[in-house]
Amino acid sequence: GESVGLHLPTLSVQEGDNSIINCAYSNSASDYFIWYKQESGKGPQFIIDIRSNMDKRQGQRVTVLLNKTVKHLSLQIAATQPGDSAVYFCAENASGTYKYIFGTGTRLKVLA
Amino acid sequence: GAGVSQSPSNKVTEKGKDVELRCDPISGHTALYWYRQRLGQGLEFLIYFQGNSAPDKSGLPSDRFSAERTGESVSTLTIQRTQQEDSAVYLCASSFGLGSDTQYFGPGTRLTVL
Repeated sequence: GESVGLHLPTLSVQEGDNSIINCAYSNSASDYFIWYKQESGKGPQFIIDIRSNMDKRQGQRVTVLLNKTVKHLSLQIAATQPGDSAVYFCAENASGTYKYIFGTGTRLKVLA
Repeated sequence: GAGVSQSPSNKVTEKGKDVELRCDPISGHTALYWYRQRLGQGLEFLIYFQGNSAPDKSGLPSDRFSAERTGESVSTLTIQRTQQEDSAVYLCASSFGLGSDTQYFGPGTRLTVL
C-alpha cells in the first residue's frame, strides 16, 4: 500500500512521452537544489542536483532547470517509463547551512 | 558500503505507549537527520546531528520526542506517550556533513498509533 502522498498533485503521462515536474522554492538565499524520487514504501532517492551558478544540468534521461529570477525549479524526464512512477520532491539548501526545505511532492503516473 | 538502514520498517502501537526508532547511517557520514512525513505532505525536519556538536532539536514537535546519537553512528528517535497524530513515516538521512551535500535517505519507519 501507499506510505505517502495519497493527496498529492498528480501528473499523468503516457509511456514514452516526456514529463515535466515543477517546483517553486521559497528561500532566495538557497543555492543548492536536489530532486528526489520516492517510490511507495521506500525512502527518497537522489536523482539529480544543481547549484545556483548553473541554470541547467543533465543526467541520464533527466534534466533539471533552474530559474533563479522566479525561484522555479523543474525536472524533465525524457521518454517516461513505467518505472518512473513515483512521488518526486524538490529540496533547497543555502550554503553554509545544513537545513533543507522540501517541497510537498508531485505524484507521477505513467500510463501504459 | 550499505546505505542508510532503519528499523523497524513498520511499527503499530497503542496510544500512550513509548516507541523507539533506529537509524544506522552510512559509514563515514558525520551528519544525520530525522524527518517526519505525514500522509500527503512533505518532509518535516525534526532533528540534526553533526559530529560531536550539540544537536539542532528545533524541529521536535513536543517534549515527547527525543533523539540520541552515539558518536557518529547509530541514532534512536524516541516518542513517549504516543498520540494518534504521531502516525507517520519517520525518515532518517545522513550526509558527509560538509555543508551543502547530498543527503541519503533510509527506507523509513511507518508508525501507526491506534
